[in-house]
Amino acid sequence: ILNVEQSPQSLHVQEGDSTNFTCSFPSSNFYALHWYRWETAKSPEALFVMTLNGDEKKKGRISATLNTKEGYSYLYIKGSQPEDSATYLCASQVLNRDDKIIFGKGTRLHILP
Amino acid sequence: GAGVSQSPSNKVTEKGKDVELRCDPISGHTALYWYRQSLGQGLEFLIYFQGNSAPDKSGLPSDRFSAERTGGSVSTLTIQRTQQEDSAVYLCASSPTGQIYEKLFFGSGTQLSVL
Repeated sequence: ILNVEQSPQSLHVQEGDSTNFTCSFPSSNFYALHWYRWETAKSPEALFVMTLNGDEKKKGRISATLNTKEGYSYLYIKGSQPEDSATYLCASQVLNRDDKIIFGKGTRLHILP
Repeated sequence: GAGVSQSPSNKVTEKGKDVELRCDPISGHTALYWYRQSLGQGLEFLIYFQGNSAPDKSGLPSDRFSAERTGGSVSTLTIQRTQQEDSAVYLCASSPTGQIYEKLFFGSGTQLSVL
């Protein structure tokens, strides 16, 4: 995988349900994996930055896991709320890309009331 | 303290005109990135400034695009002879030192529309 891939592209979830989505990234020369939340009419906001294989981070109802050997990360949202509606961006830093932070296309999450 | 500030928030221009987009990073942040998001696309890397080092311009899509950062602070992204495909949201982000584990702080972006 040469680029950062996110799936699904779009997701509709009933309020109260839990959900998760995936980020795949180059596993060789891995540096760090970032997750950002981008709400409409606002700036992208950092959720997590992870560097270690097996790392798990949690912020309220949102958590993320990291597998650097196989090159994927999952973002989980427990008990979805309307305010969780946003685009969730994943980004990778890889050695052979001069430390640049490369983003995926995002997962657009819609919470249905 | 103040966050990353971008101006203008919206810019409508005619094809062939030049535009300048401005970014004021958080004070003291040495790393500064420009990204853009075209309709239906992800965040596309454009250029990266780190302290006094030569900028990484590898993401600039053509020689019509240029950027500078004066005094290690304010950055200006210039697009010459704009084309319709340049229409996008242009985002600026900064981080304290550019270290690998640092999160990015984003501005609210400039929505550029080329008619």
